[in-house]
Amino acid sequence: ETGVTQTPRHLVMGMTNKKSLKCEQHLGHNAMYWYKQSAKKPLELMFVYSLEERVENNSVPSRFSPECPNSSHLFLHLHTLQPEDSALYLCASSPNGAYEQYFGPGTRLTVT
Amino acid sequence: AQSVTQLDSQVPVFEEAPVELRCNYSSSVSVYLFWYVQYPNQGLQLLLKYLSGSTLVESINGFEAEFNKSQTSFHLRKPSVHISDTAEYFCAVSPLRGGYQKVTFGTGTKLQVIP
Repeated sequence: ETGVTQTPRHLVMGMTNKKSLKCEQHLGHNAMYWYKQSAKKPLELMFVYSLEERVENNSVPSRFSPECPNSSHLFLHLHTLQPEDSALYLCASSPNGAYEQYFGPGTRLTVT
Repeated sequence: AQSVTQLDSQVPVFEEAPVELRCNYSSSVSVYLFWYVQYPNQGLQLLLKYLSGSTLVESINGFEAEFNKSQTSFHLRKPSVHISDTAEYFCAVSPLRGGYQKVTFGTGTKLQVIP
């Protein structure tokens, strides 16, 4: 049990759908992250929230919209996705000033 | 900016044999170094880390990695692998800073332990 949970674990959606991914951490951490993991590519950092403020947005298309309502919860809102957005989306958290991240199990997203 | 190179995408090895997973990095600033492991259908877990001090770091399950600054390497080794070590291993670096961590990951090496 890593203390970081993600729901749903699997999601299939059409290109015109709107869905949201949820991440929750019970570790008291101050920073939360969204990563995209595609086959044969390095993990791609998408967004970072530190103390509920977005501090990194790595040129992610606007069809991905993050939300961090409090330090324990992180959402990734999805709309009008493309098939190439199919991937494993990982959420992570870390304490402020620490040097390691704690990952959730991921959401396997398939865009049809 | 940092980059991480894991040259081996897959490494098959027989059970109880030794293994080395290679990692090289480049960075214009000093960095911390990490190895993460990902078991099937799970997220990444920290295996070990180098922050400072002794250049040889160990994990609780028998892995070790050595930081070599001159060769900019952080190779992961285990003298005798077990079936349960079958997983994907990611080398990662992050700059020396506080606050949130902007980590750069390698492409991963899949370790396949053959019975």
